[in-house]
Amino acid sequence: EPEVTQTPSHQVTQMGQEVILRCVPISNHLYFYWYRQILGQKVEFLVSFYNNEISEKSEIFDDQFSVERPDGSNFTLKIRSTKLEDSAMYFCASTSSGAGYGYTFGSGTRLTVV
Amino acid sequence: AQSVTQPDIHITVSEGASLELRCNYSYGATPYLFWYVQSPGQGLQLLLKYFSGDTLVQGIKGFEAEFKRSQSSFNLRKPSVHWSDAAEYFCAVALGIAAGNKLTFGGGTRVLVKP
Repeated sequence: EPEVTQTPSHQVTQMGQEVILRCVPISNHLYFYWYRQILGQKVEFLVSFYNNEISEKSEIFDDQFSVERPDGSNFTLKIRSTKLEDSAMYFCASTSSGAGYGYTFGSGTRLTVV
Repeated sequence: AQSVTQPDIHITVSEGASLELRCNYSYGATPYLFWYVQSPGQGLQLLLKYFSGDTLVQGIKGFEAEFKRSQSSFNLRKPSVHWSDAAEYFCAVALGIAAGNKLTFGGGTRVLVKP
C-alpha cells in the first residue's frame, strides 16, 4: 500500500536554528498538508498546498514557516528560526483529489527545540 | 464556529467489553467524517470514513461508526476490545474542496484497556 514518508523521525535543534522537515507524499496525490501535534494536545492544521502554491494556512503558520515542493516528489516544511514552542510532532498528509478520497498521513517527525 | 468535539478525554474499558467513543461536529453542511487511531509514539492510522450512503460504516480492526445527521454525531464502536486497542482516537471532519480540503480534528479520546 502506498505510504507517505517523513524524514527524519526525530530532530533536536537549538532555539533560533532553521529546520527543514521532509515528506514524500504518495506519487499521484495532488493535495499536500502539514499538521502538528504538541505533546498531549490535538492535531492542528498548519497549511495546505495545491498546484504549487499554498491554498490555505492557519494562524499558526506565520512568517517563520514556509513550504515548498522543490522537485515534484518532496514536500518540505521549513521553520526559519525555531522557538521552544515549536516543539511538536509534525505530520505530513496527502490526498489524491480531495476529502472524498481520504487522507494518508506520514508517521511524523518529532521536533524538539532546546 | 465550526468545531469537532470529543466529549470524553479518557475512557477505561475491560478487555472483551464493548467500546463507544463519541464525536459531535458543528458545521453548516454534512462534512466528510473520519476516525483515526494513534498508538503511542506513532502516526495517524485511518480506521474508517463516511462520505454518504449507508450511515453505518465498517472499518479496520473490527471498528464501526454510525453517522446520525439529526444529532450531528459520528460515534465509533467496537463490540469487544483487545488490549492492542489501547491508543488515542481522533475524530476528524473535512468540508471538501470548497474549504480547501483540510481536516479539523477533535481533541481526542485516550482509551485504556484493563486486563
